[in-house]
This record gives sequence, structure tokens and C-alpha cells, in this order.
Amino acid sequence: LAKTTQPISMDSYEGQEVNITCSHNNIATNDYITWYQQFPSQGPRFIIQGYKTKVTNEVASLFIPADRKSSTLSLPRVSLSDTAVYYCLVGDFGASGGSYIPTFGRGTSLIVHP
Amino acid sequence: DVKVTQSSRYLVKRTGEKVFLECVQDMDHENMFWYRQDPGLGLRLIYFSYDVKMKEKGDIPEGYSVSREKKERFSLILESASTNQTSMYLCASNKGGLAVYEQYFGPGTRLTVT
Repeated sequence: LAKTTQPISMDSYEGQEVNITCSHNNIATNDYITWYQQFPSQGPRFIIQGYKTKVTNEVASLFIPADRKSSTLSLPRVSLSDTAVYYCLVGDFGASGGSYIPTFGRGTSLIVHP
Repeated sequence: DVKVTQSSRYLVKRTGEKVFLECVQDMDHENMFWYRQDPGLGLRLIYFSYDVKMKEKGDIPEGYSVSREKKERFSLILESASTNQTSMYLCASNKGGLAVYEQYFGPGTRLTVT
């Protein structure tokens, strides 16, 4: 089963770059890697998605090595408002073995200090 | 803007009651999801629907059922609520084709079963 492993928590300071790494050793050949951000009392929000190498958008960068067994979410110059839980997702087959569906891990709680 | 709405933000029910959680999306998405979120466990998929009247079990379907009679509406049913179903319930939707496409989440329903 494709599953993800992330650090439970991380601390950083305003203005620093934060890198959160996710392991997904059993990722399928055609699977994508997706990251979500969740603030307290809200649903998760899509941040970025990639298949290989590097993807960048206005919020973050995603680095994926050639073997695709891990990925790193990079948040440049974090601020207090980046304090949230970050989830890495890959796909997996559902319990009945049918459709290939995204599987959330336990997430990384990032706390940004002043 | 994509909007996913859930019928209640907070709900308190008694053990043994039948509970309905409703989710509506306005983007004509084919896929809809129900997750529960518990501290330290991240998001766990309960059920997934890829079309009207179609459903597939997620990781923790026991004690739950779902209904999708219309494309925009996906209901989660607790046939006989138990205290271990006290949790945050999150609904999400995305377009069809690949379930790993960006999911849009509702604000969540915090259910307490006493």
C-alpha cells in the first residue's frame, strides 16, 4: 500500500525557509504527489502537486528526486500565517481494491515563531 | 469560486441516534469524499463516490453508510451513533478522471456523540 511518512512537527521563525520532507517508498509509477495546508477549524487547502523534478507556484516549491520515493515541500520566507498542518498525499487503492484514491497521512504541524 | 458546504458546523447527538451529515458542492464535480479527522491521526477516508449512486469504501467505512442521489449532494449516515464516532467530519469534491486531482473541502462538521 502506498503510504506517506512525515515529521509530526516542525518549528521555524519568521523569514526563514522551511522544508518539509515526505517519504512515499511505494509510490506507483503513474502517481502524483500532492500537498495540502490546513488551518485550525478549516478544511485542507490544496498547495501544490507534482510528478517529478521541481514544481513551483506562488506559494511553494515541490522537489521530487528521480526515484520519487520522497518529496520536499519548500516554503520560502515563512510568516506567522504559515502556521498550519501540512499534508503530503499519494494515491492508493481503496479498501475494496477498486478506484485509485488519494491517501492523507498524519501531517506535519508547522509552528512559525516571531 | 468552488464551494463545498456542509449542513452543520457543530452537531450533538445521543448514542443510538441515526445521524445524517449533508454535503453539497456547486462545481459539477464527479467525485465526492467523506473523511473523518481525529487528533494525531490525520484525515482518514470513510467513503468515496465517483458518480451518482456509485460509492466505494475508504479506509474506515465500518459504522457508516453514504447516499448520492444527485450529483451535487453526498450524504454520510451514521445508522446508530456511538461515542467513538465523535470526530470532525470533512466533505470534499473534485473533478472526475483522476481522484488525485485537487480536492475542495468544506468547513467540516464537528460531531459529538454523548
